Amino acid sequence: QSALTQPASVSGSPGQSITISCTGTSSDVGSYNLVSWYQQHPGKAPKLMIYEGSKRPSGVSNRFSGSKSGNTASLTISGLQAEDEADYYCCSYAGSSTLVFGTGTKVTVL
Amino acid sequence: QVQLVQSGAEVKKPGASVKVSCKVSGYTLTELSMHWVRQAPGKGLEWMGGFDPEDGETIYAQKFQGRVTMTEDTSTDTAYMELSSLRSEDTAVYYCATGVSLGAYFDYWGQGTLVTVSS
Repeated sequence: QSALTQPASVSGSPGQSITISCTGTSSDVGSYNLVSWYQQHPGKAPKLMIYEGSKRPSGVSNRFSGSKSGNTASLTISGLQAEDEADYYCCSYAGSSTLVFGTGTKVTVL
Repeated sequence: QVQLVQSGAEVKKPGASVKVSCKVSGYTLTELSMHWVRQAPGKGLEWMGGFDPEDGETIYAQKFQGRVTMTEDTSTDTAYMELSSLRSEDTAVYYCATGVSLGAYFDYWGQGTLVTVSS
C-alpha cells in the first residue's frame, strides 16, 4: 500500500486561506468517504482535525474544513493563524480493515 | 475522555525485539479499537496495524506482517506492540492511537515511545 501523495509544503500569510491536497487511488480515497486529517506540532502527538471527509471533532476551529473530489481529498484552512503552522497528514481507509497515511505537508505562516 | 500512557524510551541492538505498552484510562480496552502508528525521525506517519472490531481480529500492514504482534491485556486495559528482528530503519517514535467511535480515525493518541535501534 503506497502512501497518499501530499505537497511537501504550503505557505500563506496570516488571514489567508490555504488548501492541502491528498491524492490517492480508486482503492482508497476514491472508494470511501473515510479520510481524516491530523495536525502535528514538533515533538507532539498528532491531533485529529477532520474525520470522515468533512466532519470536525468538538473543539476544532471551524476555520478547518475538508472535502473530496474523485481520488483527491483536501483540507482547507481559512483565516490562517500563526498557531496553524505545523505538519498536516491525511489518512484514508484502504479496504480490508487497513489504513494509509499521506506523505505529510509542512504549513508555514509567513 | 480517553487517556493513553505509553512505556518509556528503549534502545535495542539490531536483531532484537522491543515491546511497547499503552495503558488505557477513561474507557476500557474492550470499548476501543487500538491501533499503532510509527514515525521515523523527520519522516511521516506510518500505520502499522490495529484491531478490527467488526471481525474481532488484529490487522497488520503488509510491510510489518511476520514481524509485528499486537496484543491486549483486558484485565489491566493495556495494549502492547512487539516488533522483532529490529533494524536501524525501525528507529522511530511509536504511537498507540484509538477512537471511541470505532471509526477509521483516531481521536486519542499516546505520548509516543522512542525506540532507537543501534549497535
